[in-house]
Amino acid sequence: AQRVTQPEKLLSVFKGAPVELKCNYSYSGSPELFWYVQYSRQRLQLLLRHISRESIKGFTADLNKGETSFHLKKPFAQEEDSAMYYCALSGSNQGGKLIFGQGTELSVKP
Amino acid sequence: EPEVTQTPSHQVTQMGQEVILRCVPISNHLYFYWYRQILGQKVEFLVSFYNNEISEKSEIFDDQFSVERPDGSNFTLKIRSTKLEDSAMYFCASSGALGKETQYFGPGTRLLVL
Repeated sequence: AQRVTQPEKLLSVFKGAPVELKCNYSYSGSPELFWYVQYSRQRLQLLLRHISRESIKGFTADLNKGETSFHLKKPFAQEEDSAMYYCALSGSNQGGKLIFGQGTELSVKP
Repeated sequence: EPEVTQTPSHQVTQMGQEVILRCVPISNHLYFYWYRQILGQKVEFLVSFYNNEISEKSEIFDDQFSVERPDGSNFTLKIRSTKLEDSAMYFCASSGALGKETQYFGPGTRLLVL
């Protein structure tokens, strides 16, 4: 079954602390993995994708095929990072659809 | 920067009524999608659309749902006879290519069925 799992509904950290938002996936082929972010009252927007291997707003994510994970990390959280984060998967034979995880709400306290 | 737009932002309707949700994708995009998110649940794929036909649809997208690109710019989702469980946020998205390309999302339409 194709599935994306984000085990934490809410993650609360203090400003300056490291952050790791977990994402595990189940897919039989070679998926593309994405992290989307939704700030308060804004639309879903792409944060990063594994194929581009770049760092956006200090966030990075590495695809670990052995552990089927794509965890999102940032060494020093900022208050403006507070948002909903969604991990998503797209497969080569899926017609482009995204399969989303439940989302993790990140709250960064001052 | 071009954006996907959706109208209306909110819609309240009575059970059994038809609703049409409208989306204007990014102008040079070729692939269009509808997703929905019931309150407290995950974002779920409904349908993808390319070259004036449905590419893929989920189990949710039954005979009560239809999509159309009537005039080359709008992309609509119609629910023929709404049910209480259709209450959700509906997101439109578009991309320039299939599968591994970035999908750009609209702000969503919040549908409430009473």
